[in-house]
Amino acid sequence: GIQVEQSPPDLILQEGANSTLRCNFSDSVNNLQWFHQNPWGQLINLFYIPSGTKQNGRLSATTVATERYSLLYISSSQTTDSGVYFCAVDDAGKSTFGDGTTLTVKP
Amino acid sequence: DSGVTQTPKHLITATGQRVTLRCSPRSGDLSVYWYQQSLDQGLQFLIQYYNGEERAKGNILERFSAQQFPDLHSELNLSSLELGDSALYFCASSGLGFEQFFGPGTRLTVL
Repeated sequence: GIQVEQSPPDLILQEGANSTLRCNFSDSVNNLQWFHQNPWGQLINLFYIPSGTKQNGRLSATTVATERYSLLYISSSQTTDSGVYFCAVDDAGKSTFGDGTTLTVKP
Repeated sequence: DSGVTQTPKHLITATGQRVTLRCSPRSGDLSVYWYQQSLDQGLQFLIQYYNGEERAKGNILERFSAQQFPDLHSELNLSSLELGDSALYFCASSGLGFEQFFGPGTRLTVL
């Protein structure tokens, strides 16, 4: 099956800083999503982005399907951005999640 | 609120027991997915149903089974529970595309 690798595994930022999270996948995918798991365990959809670029407020994402990676950009980070960020791909109906990037934003 | 509901929110049971977790998808979504999230295994895909039929299977143990009913709600049955089955169990649903929306999860504790 497809392997999904996320980097970095951990990231600590001061409030107001910018960050880039990366997701590499080992084979072609038709679908890719980014999620944020907040400290209460809730999984929140950020982007459905099999290719191209999308923006939503301070967050944006880019997927370059031909090069098998996706990037999540967080600008002007806030303490509420803390949590774990996952990317997930669809592999013939089976969903594969990366191990996540744990983001801590300090006030 | 994603529109996906899961019950119960918490479940505490003993080893060897059987439990049933329930999921109602978003209105109009035909696909339901089940996941297990444990501390050492991350988010693991268990199984997907589409309009009542099993569509894809992941690393689901033989002690676990699932089904999707005509009204599209789904149940995940876990039997002969072991300590290692303690985890957060998520259900997600999707429409025609792949975009999945997750429920709040059921936290299972096996003592």
